[in-house]
Amino acid sequence: AQSVSQHNHHVILSEAASLELGCNYSYGGTVNLFWYVQYPGQHLQLLLKYFSGDPLVKGIKGFEAEFIKSKFSFNLRKPSVQWSDTAEYFCAVNARYSSASKIIFGSGTRLSIRP
Amino acid sequence: GAVVSQHPSRVICKSGTSVKIECRSLDFQATTMFWYRQFPKKSLMLMATSNEGSKATYEQGVEKDKFLINHASLTLSTLTVTSAHPEDSSFYICSARRIRGGSYEQYFGPGTRLTVT
Repeated sequence: AQSVSQHNHHVILSEAASLELGCNYSYGGTVNLFWYVQYPGQHLQLLLKYFSGDPLVKGIKGFEAEFIKSKFSFNLRKPSVQWSDTAEYFCAVNARYSSASKIIFGSGTRLSIRP
Repeated sequence: GAVVSQHPSRVICKSGTSVKIECRSLDFQATTMFWYRQFPKKSLMLMATSNEGSKATYEQGVEKDKFLINHASLTLSTLTVTSAHPEDSSFYICSARRIRGGSYEQYFGPGTRLTVT
């Protein structure tokens, strides 16, 4: 079964700082990888996803993530954060070709941006 | 794109009553749907996998008699919280799976906030 770990529980940055949120997964087969964001009081939104191809994936709002297969990692990055990026970020994984495939979420990272 | 809806978006019920939440895939057929639960400031925990025409598969620790799941059609799954208690208050999110090009993709609904008084 797959699992996901997010190492940073709470990250506090100032505006314009660069962001990197860590995500590692555990699964022996081929995976799809996701980053979701949840703004305060709102529902889950997909930031970006990796299915195949270029391991550097660009998402919405200037976010990107890099899939490093050898490290089982899919870290989220943004070169310059804004106050509006304050939210909860969830890394998630599912097994791409398994009929038992289901998306499993990491514990989440709360991002707080100081104006 | 793939759209998943949930109804209701919010519900308040009294302790001891039952509440039904609907999840619909609007523009694709989903033989498999998933139900997640999110506590405040926590991550999404998978509760169960709903399979069209067969019994749901529950994750460890989830009471199947308390959280009844029915997946009667290819576009509708329902979650019924029976004999609700205040500790059942939570955000319930469904997800529908679409198979495309041999790959499994999941799309999430907007969630239902349940408050049990």
